[in-house]
This record gives sequence, C-alpha cells and structure tokens, in this order.
Amino acid sequence: DGGITQSPKYLFRKEGQNVTLSCEQNLNHDAMYWYRQDPGQGLRLIYYSQIVNDFQKGDIAEGYSVSREKKESFPLTVTSAQKNPTAFYLCASSPRQGQSPLHFGNGTRLTVT
Amino acid sequence: DAKTTQPPSMDCAEGRAANLPCNHSTISGNEYVYWYRQIHSQGPQYIIHGLKNNETNEMASLIITEDRKSSTLILPHATLRDTAVYYCIVRSYSGNTPLVFGKGTRLSVIA
Repeated sequence: DGGITQSPKYLFRKEGQNVTLSCEQNLNHDAMYWYRQDPGQGLRLIYYSQIVNDFQKGDIAEGYSVSREKKESFPLTVTSAQKNPTAFYLCASSPRQGQSPLHFGNGTRLTVT
Repeated sequence: DAKTTQPPSMDCAEGRAANLPCNHSTISGNEYVYWYRQIHSQGPQYIIHGLKNNETNEMASLIITEDRKSSTLILPHATLRDTAVYYCIVRSYSGNTPLVFGKGTRLSVIA
C-alpha cells in the first residue's frame, strides 16, 4: 500500500543531543512537510519542500534542519538549539500541483530529558 | 495564523448527525475549504474538501454557504469512532501550499 512512514513511533534522547526523525513516502509526491504538535494544540509548520533539493522554512524553523536529497525522503533533525524539543512530530506529503489533499504519517513522539 | 474559526468542542449522541461549523469570512476566490480529523496520537486524516458547491463522499458531507464565508461538515450517523479533533482549513488551489492548522473542534460522540 502507498503511504507515508515515520519511524520510530517513540524516540527518547538526552538534552544536548541532535536527533533525526525519518519520513519516507512511496506516493510519488513532490511536496513534503514537517509539522510539530504540542499537547492540546493544533499543528505548526516547521519546514516544507516542494521539490527535491529545495525547502523553505515554516513558522517555527528555529532549532531544526532538513534535507531533501531524494523525492521519497525528507528527514528532520532536531538540534540541541531547539529549546523545547519534546513534542509530537508529523510528516506529510502532497502532489505538487492542484488541490489534492495532504497525506500524513502517524507521527513520531520525541521526548527529550 | 489560521484563517478559520471553529468552536473548541462539541458533543453528539451516537447515531445522530454531527454538524460541525466553521467560519472563514476572509476566504478568497481561489481558496478551497478542507476538513481533516485527528484521532488521538495519530496523523490527521483527510475527510473532504470543496470550493463553492456542496460535496459528499463516503465519510461526510460539506455544505458551503453561498457567500462562502462559512461551512458545515456533516457526519450523518456519528459513531464512537468519530470522536476526534476536526480541523477546518482554507487553502489556495494554485499550488502545494502548506496547510495552516488552528486548534479545531474536539467532537465527542456519546453512547
């Protein structure tokens, strides 16, 4: 089945360590997105990429970095500069053109202590 | 900021229709209305979208007012599995612009 895979589902790290969250899609979508969700809140956009080797900052990009070397992969690195990294991270993808909806993965819950 | 306004929470009896309102008074002519829902600890799930005509699919119906300033998502026969947070989002059809999420409406379906 086509879809978006985020791994792992739960991730634990010590403060001061960088950590990379994986997002892979086999939907042949051009665009990919990373969102962050805190308890009881809506989703906030971190980064998005409309095409390979290109990406743009979202509303809360500070302390995060991304790469888009392959169409199917859009990994997110949470750096030690991110002050409150503990959150639920969601990856999504969509076709480049038109009104097609976003498809979401099932998220990675990151806990930093 | 999100361009939509939704009530923070609603209850619905199981088997009854759930009508979730959304205000998008500043919507522009090239923007669609999308609805997603998020069940606890999962990724959001697409439900339906529309431009100006009413839409229906196997999950729900979307009613958009003639002036396009508001819409209603209708779940015709709510079940306990429909308990979720429902997000109403406006998005331009001109490209793959990111979705801007508000806090949505927490729908509780009660047995």
